Amino acid sequence: DIQMTQSPASLSASLGETVSIECLASEGISNSLAWYQQKPGKSPQLLIYGASSLQDGVPSRFSGSGSGTQYSLKISGMQPEDEGVYYCQQGYKYLTFGSGTKLEIK
Amino acid sequence: EVQLVESGGGLVQPGRSLKLSCLASGFTFSNYGMNWIRQAPGKGLEWVASISSSSSYIYYADTVKGRFTISRDNAKNTLYLQMTSLRSEDTALYYCARHRDSGYCFDYWGQGVMVTVSS
Repeated sequence: DIQMTQSPASLSASLGETVSIECLASEGISNSLAWYQQKPGKSPQLLIYGASSLQDGVPSRFSGSGSGTQYSLKISGMQPEDEGVYYCQQGYKYLTFGSGTKLEIK
Repeated sequence: EVQLVESGGGLVQPGRSLKLSCLASGFTFSNYGMNWIRQAPGKGLEWVASISSSSSYIYYADTVKGRFTISRDNAKNTLYLQMTSLRSEDTALYYCARHRDSGYCFDYWGQGVMVTVSS
């Protein structure tokens, strides 16, 4: 099975700050990588697919990058509504999620 | 508007069975692969099972293989998860989710249905 290691497990950011979350796959996943945001008590929401494509309706401050085994999600200018838990997910071999990154306002 | 509404959850004893349903609306259900994903209380997301649009391809996580069965009825716009031999570690919020066109990620999720396995 492909393991997805997310870091950091948690972080806090000030309003307007740029934030990055990393995801490392245990083997190459050919950009079959998605990012989700989950707010407390809510279902996850797809942000990024194909490692760097923005899902319809997602603010442009969210961006994704990476290749091979290393991927990242960047939030350019933290907003209050960005608080939540972020998950990466690979779809190259079966489907596995990272363990999540809890993002809070500082 | 795409809607996915799960039902059928509840409290069940270890070793017993339960069947979840997910009623889809707002899109052509028969054109999309569908999935079950679960989240144990306070934990992360775990993919459980996937089924292709015509039920030709079905996949399971190792943790549920042989115990859970995913199925769908395209005439009723409904996805199912039959769960047998339930264990305490199956306790979770179960989400129904639609595959995005690309086929490996999930663009719409239901609100989830809680399954608690306890004596």
